[in-house]
Amino acid sequence: DTEVTQTPKHLVMGMTNKKSLKCEQHMGHRAMYWYKQKAKKPPELMFVYSYEKLSINESVPSRFSPECPNSSLLNLHLHALQPEDSALYLCASSPLDVPQRSGELFFGEGSRLTVL
Amino acid sequence: GESVGLHLPTLSVQEGDNSIINCAYSNSASDYFIWYKQESGKGPQFIIDIRSNMDKRQGQRVTVLLNKTVKHLSLQIAATQPGDSAVYFCAENGGQNFVFGPGTRLSVLP
Repeated sequence: DTEVTQTPKHLVMGMTNKKSLKCEQHMGHRAMYWYKQKAKKPPELMFVYSYEKLSINESVPSRFSPECPNSSLLNLHLHALQPEDSALYLCASSPLDVPQRSGELFFGEGSRLTVL
Repeated sequence: GESVGLHLPTLSVQEGDNSIINCAYSNSASDYFIWYKQESGKGPQFIIDIRSNMDKRQGQRVTVLLNKTVKHLSLQIAATQPGDSAVYFCAENGGQNFVFGPGTRLSVLP
């Protein structure tokens, strides 16, 4: 099973709403990632979790709050977002062959977020 | 041909021809590279990878070439098919996280 599953596939929310994006993998990978992708642009790294601990936060605004409840799950909590936050949010996972180094990066299909 | 401008660079090839997509990477410490294919509305799909101790790696219909001297990566697709139409990204890793190139849109002409 080489799948990363993301839900929901589409989400529309107002600027005062609170919502969450969810990601799940059962490949035994110990690194999980959130990326943001705008149209016609490459994915941009937001957060990295290694062994369920936040290891990288790419200066992401606090209205995005990641959570890694266990080694298979990754959430992204959304609150008070802005219209410019509308994008495709991609979850990915990778094995950690050597601590602090990552191997192959597998992506989910993404959650398309629209903020009104 | 290939065009670069304000929009995503596009490579147009005739069906059945070979495609070559290029990528310049920035970090001389990067030692692991992946090519991804992204179709419209989908997440990036792993195509092929290469580590810095190699200069060439072949898969099914795809070959990746790595030139560390000039920090250049290329993806060759043999006998390009309509299903190959997508945006292709290279990604480099010199530590824990991957950095993606700007992407190239491959358009396969009938």
